[in-house]
Amino acid sequence: SQQGEEDPQALSIQEGENATMNCSYKTSINNLQWYRQNSGRGLVHLILIRSNEREKHSGRLRVTLDTSKKSSSLLITASRAADTASYFCATDFSGTYKYIFGTGTRLKVLA
Amino acid sequence: GAGVSQSPSNKVTEKGKDVELRCDPISGHTALYWYRQSLGQGLEFLIYFQGNSAPDKSGLPSDRFSAERTGGSVSTLTIQRTQQEDSAVYLCASSLESSGGVETQYFGPGTRLLVL
Repeated sequence: SQQGEEDPQALSIQEGENATMNCSYKTSINNLQWYRQNSGRGLVHLILIRSNEREKHSGRLRVTLDTSKKSSSLLITASRAADTASYFCATDFSGTYKYIFGTGTRLKVLA
Repeated sequence: GAGVSQSPSNKVTEKGKDVELRCDPISGHTALYWYRQSLGQGLEFLIYFQGNSAPDKSGLPSDRFSAERTGGSVSTLTIQRTQQEDSAVYLCASSLESSGGVETQYFGPGTRLLVL
């Protein structure tokens, strides 16, 4: 079964608006990462948040982690058309190297 | 430096043929992963190599799939007697070894496999 599940599956917003995506997982983790994928090819790492962290920022990205709820959110502020992509969360099983990816959120930013 | 590279970028083959997909990880990265992504889906873990340890093959979907990593660097994923359901994008990623858990993975551009 999936370790990470993103919500919503698809999101369409206007340029300049904020986009929020959520990820839920099932087991204990060491860290959680968010990746972006354009055009169904290679993934680009966005941000890593460790299990003892609650919030991280990187540019227009803000990631939160709530280990009690086993959930994370990715916020993209002031979205741009270039942010159009699929966004995946990936979690490791605590104590292992195995990374499990969710099914992704397809974000479309309309100019 | 150079990122993860994969070849070929696209492969079209006939059902029943064998295919080999290649991955060149980032120099110095000891961990290497193979994933499969079907159209519109998430990534499916296939296999993991870490240094000289035995690989974790738990994600390989059938015994038609195999992978090797020579000299701790280049990896080849082989699919024997390909089936149409093998059609997908095959992604390779590498990362630095970490004792504290999984670190950032750097992905290649993928090989898009189409089995006719």
